Amino acid sequence: QVQLQESGPGLVKPSETLSLTCNVSGGSISSYYWSWIRQPPGKGLEWIAYIYYSGRINYNPSLKSRVTVSVDTSKNQFSLKLNSVTAADTAVYYCARDHYGEGDFDSWGQGTLVTVSS
Amino acid sequence: QSVLTQPPSASGTPGQRVTISCSGSSSNIGSETVNWFQHLPGTAPKLLIYSNNQRPSGVPDRFSGSKSGTSASLAISGLQSEDEADYYCAAWDDSLNGPVFGGGTKVTVL
Repeated sequence: QVQLQESGPGLVKPSETLSLTCNVSGGSISSYYWSWIRQPPGKGLEWIAYIYYSGRINYNPSLKSRVTVSVDTSKNQFSLKLNSVTAADTAVYYCARDHYGEGDFDSWGQGTLVTVSS
Repeated sequence: QSVLTQPPSASGTPGQRVTISCSGSSSNIGSETVNWFQHLPGTAPKLLIYSNNQRPSGVPDRFSGSKSGTSASLAISGLQSEDEADYYCAAWDDSLNGPVFGGGTKVTVL
């Protein structure tokens, strides 16, 4: 059973860069699509980006100018960087595995709350 | 504003059948399969239905999904207290080349 775990700072200052890592255990990252998804307080889920283990990437156009994702197959983990953050980026951030690359996220991390505040 | 449209809430008494709708467009539900997730506060979302009507191993057959045109629905039959949660639909969007979600439906067991 694959398990995902997000890690990173829970508090980021406005205009700085939010950095998160998702560690994948119990299975290889060298397959499937891997995504970042967030949920602002009181709101619904928003897809941020996906990365395929080979390096193929796609970003949500609404965030594309500020987002970078990468994968490290040697460490079985993938990462998210979101720059120039504002209070609107405060959210629970999830990493997830997309089994067939069709939005069928069959494994999720527990989520990590990132608050943007000075 | 979510790309897929869901009612914000639904409710029923134990044993009843509850249905949640999800409306999209030709670039997502109309041309791609629909997935449903159950989300309990403070926990990771759980895949409930994939490919319109397929249940992952371990998901009770009380949960069923269907799709017609640009709309989909999730039905919960024999509603139980543990079904009280938020439910989200999702589908791949060809224009976005990524998944889109509904705004979520909070199911309350009365």
